[in-house]
Amino acid sequence: GEDVEQSLFLSVREGDSSVINCTYTDSSSTYLYWYKQEPGAGLQLLTYIFSNMDMKQDQRLTVLLNKKDKHLSLRIADTQTGDSAIYFCAEIYTSGTYKYIFGTGTRLKVLA
Amino acid sequence: NAGVTQTPKFRVLKTGQSMTLLCAQDMNHEYMYWYRQDPGMGLRLIHYSVGEGTTAKGEVPDGYNVSRLKKQNFLLGLESAAPSQTSVYFCASSYSQKREQYFGPGTRLTVT
Repeated sequence: GEDVEQSLFLSVREGDSSVINCTYTDSSSTYLYWYKQEPGAGLQLLTYIFSNMDMKQDQRLTVLLNKKDKHLSLRIADTQTGDSAIYFCAEIYTSGTYKYIFGTGTRLKVLA
Repeated sequence: NAGVTQTPKFRVLKTGQSMTLLCAQDMNHEYMYWYRQDPGMGLRLIHYSVGEGTTAKGEVPDGYNVSRLKKQNFLLGLESAAPSQTSVYFCASSYSQKREQYFGPGTRLTVT
């Protein structure tokens, strides 16, 4: 079935690295996304990776993709208090048509 | 560009009342979506539209109706509100089904 799983909570100290993990179901996914949701706001695209890539780096963000294990991770280097938010991964599930599947979200809390 | 806007931002309804949530986007996107977000359940797709004049059911369509009379607007209606519809509702739009979605700021609805 279609399911994108994430752990619900992550707590890190300011300045440390955060790693948020996600497992997805569709091996034919073409795009995998990370969204950030700040309190009281909608989701905003943070970064994405094509399925033919293993890694993508964008400033403090590193996305790793393990297609064999269907595992996606988002690493935030030098985590700041402003990074406190809910992070959602999303895959494009292909079943006749395209279907956008969001994970349940990981709430990141950064401790000063 | 305003992006995706939603009105109202907050609403309290009594059981059995009806209301319409309005979503507008100025990016000329074909695809529009309505989600609800509940604690621990991530985002669930209610209805979506692949173009002006079209609508389709998502994962949790019961109790909701939608209309897309103009390309830039996507309306979500609750005919007879129930307490189970207490949630935060998000509208989103995208250029295509595979590309990133742009989210509105959300509508917090409470049904008593």
